[in-house]
Amino acid sequence: AQKVTQAQTEISVVEKEDVTLDCVYETRDTTYYLFWYKQPPSGELVFLIRRNSFDEQNEISGRYSWNFQKSTSSFNFTITASQVVDSAVYFCALSINTGTASKLTFGTGTRLQVTL
Amino acid sequence: DTGVSQNPRHKITKRGQNVTFRCDPISEHNRLYWYRQTLGQGPEFLTYFQNEAQLEKSRLLSDRFSAERPKGSFSTLEIQRTEQGDSAMYLCASSPDRERYEKLFFGSGTQLSVL
Repeated sequence: AQKVTQAQTEISVVEKEDVTLDCVYETRDTTYYLFWYKQPPSGELVFLIRRNSFDEQNEISGRYSWNFQKSTSSFNFTITASQVVDSAVYFCALSINTGTASKLTFGTGTRLQVTL
Repeated sequence: DTGVSQNPRHKITKRGQNVTFRCDPISEHNRLYWYRQTLGQGPEFLTYFQNEAQLEKSRLLSDRFSAERPKGSFSTLEIQRTEQGDSAMYLCASSPDRERYEKLFFGSGTQLSVL
């Protein structure tokens, strides 16, 4: 069985602070992908990143960066110099191949509140 | 891309009534997924279509739930004899079917409230 744990239910920061959202996953599969999605108040989940299980290189995209560590089964997400527009619920998700399709197992999400 | 469209955005119904939601995926996306999200939780997989064929259903999808994608384009999700426990956000997603482990494009969801 697959599982994704996001232990941080809610985080509040002041604008310009850096913030890290934690994600720990469980799977017996050796091939899998990890994702981060952002869910703003409008409700639509917005794709942020996809990372495969064989690529442990960290990735940076503007103010966003991701740290994938297979040894600790973690895929953490850092926002540098946070902004009010970053306020949203962030979901980490795991995808394994179940034959013809890959479906996502989501964590419970971390609500990020960025204030002025 | 015009994005994944879901209708209605909100639905309030009385217990025991039937409801139907519609999802229009991104044009030419062959794969279509339905997820359910309850308050404070992440989305949970319900079912998946490859074109018009429903290839996988979650155990969460009881006999009261039925999904269709008759022409491989839009999809409908029907819930019969709704119960209060069905109250949730129902999310639709699509993907182009070009590779495994594709990223999904989500709609804004239909929020169902069963009174």
